Amino acid sequence: DGGITQSPKYLFRKEGQNVTLSCEQNLNHDAMYWYRQDPGQGLRLIYYSQIVNDFQKGDIAEGYSVSREKKESFPLTVTSAQKNPTAFYLCASSTIRQGLNSPLHFGNGTRLTVT
Amino acid sequence: QQQVKQSPQSLIVQKGGIPIINCAYENTAFDYFPWYQQFPGKGPALLIAIRPDVSEKKEGRFTISFNKSAKQFSLHIMDSQPGDSATYFCAAQAGTALIFGKGTTLSVSS
Repeated sequence: DGGITQSPKYLFRKEGQNVTLSCEQNLNHDAMYWYRQDPGQGLRLIYYSQIVNDFQKGDIAEGYSVSREKKESFPLTVTSAQKNPTAFYLCASSTIRQGLNSPLHFGNGTRLTVT
Repeated sequence: QQQVKQSPQSLIVQKGGIPIINCAYENTAFDYFPWYQQFPGKGPALLIAIRPDVSEKKEGRFTISFNKSAKQFSLHIMDSQPGDSATYFCAAQAGTALIFGKGTTLSVSS
């Protein structure tokens, strides 16, 4: 089955440690995205990438970093500079088609808890 | 300008009722308006979407109504079922920018 795999589902880290969240897709989508979800805040865009080796900051990129070395993979690193990292992180992908909007396909998220 | 305002924040209806979730936007460049459904512990999934050249779109029990002049759109769920209990997000897109509302948690009681 095609889809997006995020791992792990739950992640616990001590404050001050960097942590990397995995996102893999086998949908052959060009674009990939990272969103952060907090209760009552909706989904806020952290980073997105439309092509391998290129990515752009979203609305809340501070304290996060990404890489896009392969089309299928878009890992997110939550650095110690992120002041409030505890959240539910969602990875998504989409096709890119000229003149048409493509829906996002989401993974099932990683819940990160930093203490 | 880039915000999408969604209301209500939460909604409780009885089985068979018709919950309505409303969204409003300011940016007239938005040209695609999807709704996503999210169950607890899962990622959102596309439910239904509409473009501004259409005033209404139905897919099964789900209907989007779109009022371009008022810059508002809404989701109606006909004959709601307990299995519809979820969080619903409206969104608006212009180019690569997809802006989400803050979500509505719907609970359908049996």
